[in-house]
Amino acid sequence: DAGITQSPRYKITETGRQVTLMCHQTWSHSYMFWYRQDLGHGLRLIYYSAAADITDKGEVPDGYVVSRSKTENFPLTLESATRSQTSVYFCASSESGRFQETQYFGPGTRLLVL
Amino acid sequence: AQKVTQAQTEISVVEKEDVTLDCVYETRDTTYYLFWYKQPPSGELVFLIRRNSFDEQNEISGRYSWNFQKSTSSFNFTITASQVVDSAVYFCALSERKGGNQFYFGTGTSLTVIP
Repeated sequence: DAGITQSPRYKITETGRQVTLMCHQTWSHSYMFWYRQDLGHGLRLIYYSAAADITDKGEVPDGYVVSRSKTENFPLTLESATRSQTSVYFCASSESGRFQETQYFGPGTRLLVL
Repeated sequence: AQKVTQAQTEISVVEKEDVTLDCVYETRDTTYYLFWYKQPPSGELVFLIRRNSFDEQNEISGRYSWNFQKSTSSFNFTITASQVVDSAVYFCALSERKGGNQFYFGTGTSLTVIP
């Protein structure tokens, strides 16, 4: 039972390149989330999705694009990577997205933008 | 303004010592939940506990205990008889009823347990 997986786990790219981070969950959770983790900031929400084809911005959405064509997948794309997007990216999911529900996290993707 | 404050950036203790990680939150909502997550050196985020705003009873799970005090807006986490495996970054988080699915995370406390 894989739960929630992310790929790649590590990525090095150059400024200006497009990068897509993948997230896959096997729980059939409705809600999925993307966070970035930076020193001194904790985790900040980038985008979230309530269901297939329904997405919404979080706290720090600029420079990112998401899509959700299937319930189990929630890719995050950096259309033109910048150095400030060097970070650790976490995908998370929760069953119905209600405030009282626990969010379960994937293992993270470490992204370095040169 | 920071909704969740973890003032302790780094803590070091010697194995078998007790340690308390502080979490102070800010909300105007009367209904909310608080969470603790552990991030070991391997990097994943592991859920530890969830507590709602109407339940101020302290909780104990093995060597872990949590003290929730609404009067001081705190949800502190104590590890008794710490072990090297407890070395990790610990995050406190808040979700509010009016905030929907938004989680507000603190900046984390890095705990090092020295053998």
